[in-house]
Amino acid sequence: KNQVEQSPQSLIILEGKNCTLQCNYTVSPFSNLRWYKQDTGRGPVSLTIMTFSENTKSNGRYTATLDADTKQSSLHITASQLSDSASYICVVSVGGSYIPTFGRGTSLIVHP
Amino acid sequence: GAVVSQHPSWVICKSGTSVKIECRSLDFQATTMFWYRQFPKQSLMLMATSNEGSKATYEQGVEKDKFLINHASLTLSTLTVTSAHPEDSSFYICSARSSGVGNTIYFGEGSWLTVV
Repeated sequence: KNQVEQSPQSLIILEGKNCTLQCNYTVSPFSNLRWYKQDTGRGPVSLTIMTFSENTKSNGRYTATLDADTKQSSLHITASQLSDSASYICVVSVGGSYIPTFGRGTSLIVHP
Repeated sequence: GAVVSQHPSWVICKSGTSVKIECRSLDFQATTMFWYRQFPKQSLMLMATSNEGSKATYEQGVEKDKFLINHASLTLSTLTVTSAHPEDSSFYICSARSSGVGNTIYFGEGSWLTVV
């Protein structure tokens, strides 16, 4: 069964600090992996998308990594800001059908 | 960039009535659209996958007769919550998959449904 597991479930950090969110998956065959940011009561917004051949992708203060061999991805947030408080969702798509499998998300709270 | 428009953004309806939510892909064609619901502080739950011109595929436990999905064109899918009850109150989100490079998925802003 295709699954996407995210950790930690929730995280609280101080403004200015860095943090790393994890995503492990069992989806096969693999097509691509995406990280989304979802603010409360809003639709998810894409941060990064990586295919099998890519092992790192940056978007401003967000850097995603992918290890296709171990089926792990991480999202690193640098110099966190209050506006980074949100839920971060890892989505892995199946090769061929591109059907997405969602992780349950990591809830990040950035305190001043 | 590609945008998915969802309408209405919020709606209040009486118990027993039906509510329709629209999901439109702007500036791109979406062969596949997905519908989700999300309860407060919980993750997105996929309800159904809809392909243009064919019947939607519903996830286990989702009543197809209650949540009617129509994907009549490459830019529009609708979700109709029929005979709504208070327990149907939730945040409903759609997403559309672009057939371009990477098959990127774009999300709508969501629709808050409150059934009173």
